[in-house]
Amino acid sequence: DAMVIQNPRYQVTQFGKPVTLSCSQTLNHNVMYWYQQKSSQAPKLLFHYYDKDFNNEADTPDNFQSRRPNTSFCFLDIRSPGLGDAAMYLCATESGTGENEQFFGPGTRLTVL
Amino acid sequence: AQSVSQHNHHVILSEAASLELGCNYSYGGTVNLFWYVQYPGQHLQLLLKYFSGDPLVKGIKGFEAEFIKSKFSFNLRKPSVQWSDTAEYFCAVYGNNRLAFGKGNQVVVIP
Repeated sequence: DAMVIQNPRYQVTQFGKPVTLSCSQTLNHNVMYWYQQKSSQAPKLLFHYYDKDFNNEADTPDNFQSRRPNTSFCFLDIRSPGLGDAAMYLCATESGTGENEQFFGPGTRLTVL
Repeated sequence: AQSVSQHNHHVILSEAASLELGCNYSYGGTVNLFWYVQYPGQHLQLLLKYFSGDPLVKGIKGFEAEFIKSKFSFNLRKPSVQWSDTAEYFCAVYGNNRLAFGKGNQVVVIP
C-alpha cells in the first residue's frame, strides 16, 4: 500500500543534542510537509517542500532545518533541542496537482530530557 | 492568512447519541475544507472533504458535513455515534498552499 512512513516512532534526546527525524513516502507526491503538534493543540506547519523548493514558515525557529534529498525522503533536523521542542512531529504529503488533500504519517514523538 | 475555529474542545456523549461538531473558517479565496480524525495512538486520517459542488458531503464511517458559505461554516455530523468514534477531530481549510487546522475536538463516546 502506498503510504507515508516516519522513523523512529519514538525518539528520546538530551537537551541540546541534535536529532534527525525521517519521513519517506511511496505515493510519489511532489509536496512534503513537516508539522509540530503539541498535546491538545492543532498541528502547526513548520515548513514544506514543493519538489526541491523549500518553503519555511515565518515563525519556524532557526533551530529547525529540513532536507529533501529526493522525492521519497524528507528529514527534519533539530539542531539544539530544548524542552519546549518536545512534541509529536508529523510528516504529510500532497500530490501537488491541485487535489490539496494531505496524507499523514504516524508521527514521531520526541522527548527531550 | 486563513484560520479555523472549533468550539467545545471536549465532547462526551453516549453511544447512539447524535454528534455535531462546529467549524468556522476565515479565508478570502476559494476554499477547500477538510475534516480529519485522529484515533488514539493513530495518525491523522481524512474523514471527508469539500472542494466544490454539493455542499453536503458524505465521508467514511457515516460522517457527513455541510458547507454553508454564508456562515463560513463546515460542521461535521453523525446521527448515531459508536464507541469506536472516540477520537480527536480536526477541521482544516486549505489556502495559500497550506492547511490551517483548528484546535480540534476531543470526542469521547461512552458505551
